[in-house]
Amino acid sequence: EPEVTQTPSHQVTQMGQEVILRCVPISNHLYFYWYRQILGQKVEFLVSFYNNEISEKSEIFDDQFSVERPDGSNFTLKIRSTKLEDSAMYFCAISGGRYNEQFFGPGTRLTVL
Amino acid sequence: AQSVTQLDSQVPVFEEAPVELRCNYSSSVSVYLFWYVQYPNQGLQLLLKYLSGSTLVKGINGFEAEFNKSQTSFHLRKPSVHISDTAEYFCAVSRTSGTYKYIFGTGTRLKVLA
Repeated sequence: EPEVTQTPSHQVTQMGQEVILRCVPISNHLYFYWYRQILGQKVEFLVSFYNNEISEKSEIFDDQFSVERPDGSNFTLKIRSTKLEDSAMYFCAISGGRYNEQFFGPGTRLTVL
Repeated sequence: AQSVTQLDSQVPVFEEAPVELRCNYSSSVSVYLFWYVQYPNQGLQLLLKYLSGSTLVKGINGFEAEFNKSQTSFHLRKPSVHISDTAEYFCAVSRTSGTYKYIFGTGTRLKVLA
């Protein structure tokens, strides 16, 4: 099973600050995803990324969010100006193909104060 | 649009007893179905998946699930649970074409009692 690491494991930030969450797939994969889980709620899709561009995004993924692969290995999610409601667990996932199962990282817990 | 319902938020069960975690989905198109498990402070681990073929799917750790198209269900079962099965279990669906994001249910917390 492919391994995915995420850093940091826990991020605490002040409202209005920018945060960058990182995902590092150990092996090469084609498709990358970000999901989030607000405490006590379901896991929600944010965005998918293929061939260095966004292939799909949800309504949650507004202009405050962006994704990129800055060096061909890391996959980052940036929140430009965090809000209290951005507090959640953020999961990165990868898959080798469009219809393949997704493999998830351990998540980053973001706390916005 | 697709949706997933996991009716039971928590399921307590004694060790070595059988368990069934329920998952129902709604979709106007064909879907793939998945069960993931989340142990404390860990990510989501794939338990099993249904893509096509046999409706009875066997996964890791002795779990299995049966796809029932007429009832739009994909219930997860294990004949004898262990303490180590205590975790959160998520059912998810994705379309078979057009988009491949997962739609998750709200999760079921399985608590195995000694």
